[in-house]
Amino acid sequence: DIQMTQSPSSLPASLGERVTISCRASQGISNNLNWYQQKPDGTIKPLIYYTSNLQSGVPSRFSGSGSGTDYSLTISSLEPEDFAMYYCQQDASFPNTFGAGTKLELK
Amino acid sequence: EVQLVESGGGLVKPGSSLKLSCVASGFTFSSYGMHWIRQAPKKGLEWIALIYYDSSNKYYADSVKGRFTISRDNSKNTLYLEMNSLRSEDTAMYYCAKFGNYGSSWGQGVMVTVSS
Repeated sequence: DIQMTQSPSSLPASLGERVTISCRASQGISNNLNWYQQKPDGTIKPLIYYTSNLQSGVPSRFSGSGSGTDYSLTISSLEPEDFAMYYCQQDASFPNTFGAGTKLELK
Repeated sequence: EVQLVESGGGLVKPGSSLKLSCVASGFTFSSYGMHWIRQAPKKGLEWIALIYYDSSNKYYADSVKGRFTISRDNSKNTLYLEMNSLRSEDTAMYYCAKFGNYGSSWGQGVMVTVSS
């Protein structure tokens, strides 16, 4: 199984700040990497698919990049609604696996 | 607008069975593979099963293989997850999800609690 190592696990940040969350796969996943946001009520919102493609309706302050085994999600300027949990997921092979999550919290 | 609505969750005893449903709307259900993903309380996300658009292939996580069965009825736009021999570690929120060329869509989830 491909292991996804996500960092940091917790990220204190301020409104307007630029932040980056990283995800490293245990082997190459050929850009088959997705990012999700989860709010405290459990709602999961897909943000980015195939490394860098913004899901419909997602604000342009979100962006994704990476290749091979290393990927990242960047939020260019934090808004109040961005403070949530974030997960990466590889769907290059089964079982699809998720990172352990990053809690983005207000500093 | 894509909508996925899960149902069928609840409180059950260890060793019992439960069948979840996910009703889809807003897209051509019969054209997409569908997934079940779960999240135990205070834990991360765990992919558990995939069924192809035509039910020709099914994949499972090792944690549920042999106990859970994914199926679908394209005439009813409905995805199912039959869960047998339930264990306390199956306690989780269960989400159905559609993945495609333009990303994914997820349901709101349904809670399954396995406890004596």
